[in-house]
Amino acid sequence: DTEVTQTPKHLVMGMTNKKSLKCEQHMGHRAMYWYKQKAKKPPELMFVYSYEKLSINESVPSRFSPECPNSSLLNLHLHALQPEDSALYLCASSQGQGARENTEAFFGQGTRLTVV
Amino acid sequence: KQEVTQIPAALSVPEGENLVLNCSFTDSAIYNLQWFRQDPGKGLTSLLLIQSSQREQTSGRLNASLDKSSGRSTLYIAASQPGDSATYLCAVLDTGAGSYQLTFGKGTKLSVIP
Repeated sequence: DTEVTQTPKHLVMGMTNKKSLKCEQHMGHRAMYWYKQKAKKPPELMFVYSYEKLSINESVPSRFSPECPNSSLLNLHLHALQPEDSALYLCASSQGQGARENTEAFFGQGTRLTVV
Repeated sequence: KQEVTQIPAALSVPEGENLVLNCSFTDSAIYNLQWFRQDPGKGLTSLLLIQSSQREQTSGRLNASLDKSSGRSTLYIAASQPGDSATYLCAVLDTGAGSYQLTFGKGTKLSVIP
């Protein structure tokens, strides 16, 4: 099973709403990632969790708040977003992130977010 | 800072043709290189991963090569089918920012015409 599951598939939210994106994997992977992808652009890294600890935050605005409740789950909490935050949000996982670990990345199908 | 370039940006071929997609990267100190496929509005599907010590990997009709010293990789697709139509992304894993991160190219959009 190489599946990364993201919910919801689509989300429309107002600029004053609070919502959360969820990501789940059962491959025993210890590194999990959030990426943002705008139309016709490559994915851009937002956050990395390694062994349930935040290891990379790519200067993402505080209106995006990641959370890793356990090794299988990754959440992205959204608050007071702007229309320009509308994008496809992708979750990924890999066995690890270090030199001696399998770093092949597996991606979910994404959440299409529209901020109105 | 690592930069990944994919050429061409778009490619249209008749069904059955063999084709090559190109990927180049500026910093050869990579850990591995991964090819992905993305269908419109969908997530990324991992196709092949090549470790920095490897020269090529094969999966079915796909063959990926890596020349780390020259900063190049190619993805060869044999006997193309309409179902191969998608955007193909190349990504390299390196430690450019002090920790392992994937840097993506902008992709090649492939259309296979029946």
